[in-house]
Amino acid sequence: DIQMTQSPSSLSASVGDRVTITCRASQSITTYLNWYQQKPGKAPKFLIYAASSLQSGVPSRISGSGSGTDFTLTISSLQPEDFATYYCHQTYSMPWTFGRGTKVELK
Amino acid sequence: EVQLVQSGAEVKKPGEFLKISCKGFGYNFTNYWLGWLRQMPGKGLEWMGVIFPGDSDSRYSPSFRGQVTFSADKFIGTAYLQWNSLKASDTAMYYCARTMGGFGDPFDYWGQGSLVTVSS
Repeated sequence: DIQMTQSPSSLSASVGDRVTITCRASQSITTYLNWYQQKPGKAPKFLIYAASSLQSGVPSRISGSGSGTDFTLTISSLQPEDFATYYCHQTYSMPWTFGRGTKVELK
Repeated sequence: EVQLVQSGAEVKKPGEFLKISCKGFGYNFTNYWLGWLRQMPGKGLEWMGVIFPGDSDSRYSPSFRGQVTFSADKFIGTAYLQWNSLKASDTAMYYCARTMGGFGDPFDYWGQGSLVTVSS
């Protein structure tokens, strides 16, 4: 199985901060990497596919990059609605796997 | 508008049978792979597998193969996740989610989740 390692597991930030979350795959997944946002008690929300393509309706302050084994999710200016847990997800090889999540909390 | 509507919360005893459902609205249900995902209390997301409702072709994560069964009724646009004998460790929120299109595509629409509690 491909292991997805996210870091950090949690971070504290303020509104307006630039936030970067890293996801590393245990082997190359080219760009078969997706990102989701989950708020407490809610289903995950789809943000980014193919490492860097923004899903329709997702604000442009959110971006993704990377290929191979190393990927990042960046929020350029954190907004109150961005406090949530973020998951990376590979669909390169079955079983598809998720990172353990990064919780973004208010400082 | 695309929507996935899941069945409600269930409280069951160990050893019991359970089948939960996921009904699709607003798109051609038979043409998109549908995934099932588990989220145990306070934990992350786990991919259980996917089913193609058009022909019920199913792919299971090794961690869940033999433990659960996927099925679908394409005529009523509904997919199902079934346990023949529940365990306490099956207590979790279960989500269905539609892939964007192809087999390896991400999940673009999610159901609201079905909470399953297994306790004696």
